Amino acid sequence: DAGVIQSPRHEVTEMGQEVTLRCKPISGHNSLFWYRQTMMRGLELLIYFNNNVPIDDSGMPEDRFSAKMPNASFSTLKIQPSEPRDSAVYFCASSLGGGDGELFFGEGSRLTVL
Amino acid sequence: AQSVTQPDIHITVSEGASLELRCNYSYGATPYLFWYVQSPGQGLQLLLKYFSGDTLVQGIKGFEAEFKRSQSSFNLRKPSVHWSDAAEYFCADSGGSNYKLTFGKGTLLTVNP
Repeated sequence: DAGVIQSPRHEVTEMGQEVTLRCKPISGHNSLFWYRQTMMRGLELLIYFNNNVPIDDSGMPEDRFSAKMPNASFSTLKIQPSEPRDSAVYFCASSLGGGDGELFFGEGSRLTVL
Repeated sequence: AQSVTQPDIHITVSEGASLELRCNYSYGATPYLFWYVQSPGQGLQLLLKYFSGDTLVQGIKGFEAEFKRSQSSFNLRKPSVHWSDAAEYFCADSGGSNYKLTFGKGTLLTVNP
């Protein structure tokens, strides 16, 4: 079975450029999460979707960050304009929902902003 | 706000030795607790979870964890470590939320041959 698929795996860009990260959740999962992982702050929840609807975006750092889920099989996380402090590994995860806590993570997108 | 503390940033053990990774949670009511493992360059994978019932929980790859309410702890154990267990381990708590996991900062495990 295919797991959560993220692209790109690595992205190097210059400050001010737009970055779009993509995620395909596991088929049948109705919850989708975007996390950011840094050495300083660890794993942070950025946004949570349930049935394609954003439920909790309190972790989105600022207006430069936006996320969409146009359908059950695709989500994007966009940063515009990007800044060096956005450098991190961004993980997408999906779950069946219901609060059992089992998240299935993608392999992550490592973003470097120069 | 609830928090999860993993006191050990880095632990080194010899292959075949026993392992205990510490985790303390702050949520006052009944926590929902999890251990995840992250291999280099990979996403996180669930090892085990505790919701209620038996306080000793068995997981995959020979891991177990014990919930101790009196100590606010949920320590991860393995009787004999294999070289393939080298990874970073994260404890997490969803507290009263049905979706929001709070992760600890992680413990990096190195296994010496």
